[in-house]
Amino acid sequence: GAGVSQSPSNKVTEKGKDVELRCDPISGHTALYWYRQSLGQGLEFLIYFQGNSAPDKSGLPSDRFSAERTGGSVSTLTIQRTQQEDSAVYLCASSTQGGRLIYGYTFGSGTRLTVV
Amino acid sequence: GQQVMQIPQYQHVQEGEDFTTYCNSSTTLSNIQWYKQRPGGHPVFLIQLVKSGEVKKQKRLTFQFGEAKKNSSLHITATQTTDVGTYFCAGPGNTGGFKTIFGAGTRLFVKA
Repeated sequence: GAGVSQSPSNKVTEKGKDVELRCDPISGHTALYWYRQSLGQGLEFLIYFQGNSAPDKSGLPSDRFSAERTGGSVSTLTIQRTQQEDSAVYLCASSTQGGRLIYGYTFGSGTRLTVV
Repeated sequence: GQQVMQIPQYQHVQEGEDFTTYCNSSTTLSNIQWYKQRPGGHPVFLIQLVKSGEVKKQKRLTFQFGEAKKNSSLHITATQTTDVGTYFCAGPGNTGGFKTIFGAGTRLFVKA
């Protein structure tokens, strides 16, 4: 598509429930990233996928968080047994790459997750 | 661990005044990126600097990359209310992969 699409745009869930967040990157972008942004804060790296390489999961805050990218395109971020501290905006971004240079990210509009 | 620091955290200016935000990395960066996030919006890519000492301009915005490639700045001349938002710098992580580390951002408020 023309941009990075994320769904849902808003999600309210009860503490302890599982949630799935979806990201559809720009067609042809080989790199896909998930970041988390708490209210008024910066961007916290979670995970990235680059082509067929193993994902870099070093930013996932706990084993309740997981992500997959199917067919090198759509990605799903899953949070199990949600906690109130998981409340944040989850941003997905995609980019192209040239050699060792990463080009600028295109971000989606994010999913605002509220755990009550 | 690797850090990308930005100052100031907040800046209030009168419309027409200039504004500068500074970005400092604890490690040498191969490149640096700048993003703008409007209130309620998502970050939007502005520019990427690659060369030591590089200076790039976009209308009223001037971006610089330090000679040592450890610092950068964004300067806005004669701010307008449309410049309101948070400006983030970002650089590649130093773990050999392709993740990007973002600074905490500088939030700009412009009073008309």
